[in-house]
Amino acid sequence: DQQVKQNSPSLSVQEGRISILNCDYTNSMFDYFLWYKKYPAEGPTFLISISSIKDKNEDGRFTVFLNKSAKHLSLHIVPSQPGDSAVYFCAAKMGNQAGTALIFGKGTTLSVSS
Amino acid sequence: DAGVIQSPRHEVTEMGQEVTLRCKPISGHNSLFWYRQTMMRGLELLIYFNNNVPIDDSGMPEDRFSAKMPNASFSTLKIQPSEPRDSAVYFCASSSGPPPEQYFGPGTRLTVT
Repeated sequence: DQQVKQNSPSLSVQEGRISILNCDYTNSMFDYFLWYKKYPAEGPTFLISISSIKDKNEDGRFTVFLNKSAKHLSLHIVPSQPGDSAVYFCAAKMGNQAGTALIFGKGTTLSVSS
Repeated sequence: DAGVIQSPRHEVTEMGQEVTLRCKPISGHNSLFWYRQTMMRGLELLIYFNNNVPIDDSGMPEDRFSAKMPNASFSTLKIQPSEPRDSAVYFCASSSGPPPEQYFGPGTRLTVT
């Protein structure tokens, strides 16, 4: 009964190429989506988010795409750098107010080789 | 500008002992969340507070777990008695918004032997 799914446990990419991380969700009530990055022995760090009223949000090398009809979102990192190697979590919530819970996927481990 | 502070960073205890994890949210944030990360279940929400009031504790696994937020700058998560299956990394996060991004502490790695 996972509501947020990241079906690829790992992804390996060469430095300079594009990394695409995918996330699917089942609850149509979700209307705000976030990506977090996590290094070992640290807490997750907020990366980028998107509201359901948009289909794309860009911040530097990071772009998140949302396809509501498919209940799918993706994170694109271009160009990928070795420092991007980390675990990436997709998260979803209902409403854009702060005081509601995030539902997380299980994460995708990205490895960027130089 | 301090982020979310958690203590201790590591805790090793014996089965049956009481464990207390502590969290100081970012100043001005009015929502606080406790998460647990395990290999099997990933990051799962245990409980969260808005304005120091518990809103949803449905993620607390058993009555052995309890959480309090006596004021806006401090929260505790207590496990009594602890069991080996409680071994995990426990994260605290805080937020204020919109926007609703949550900011996480470094976590407490709990090992119950």
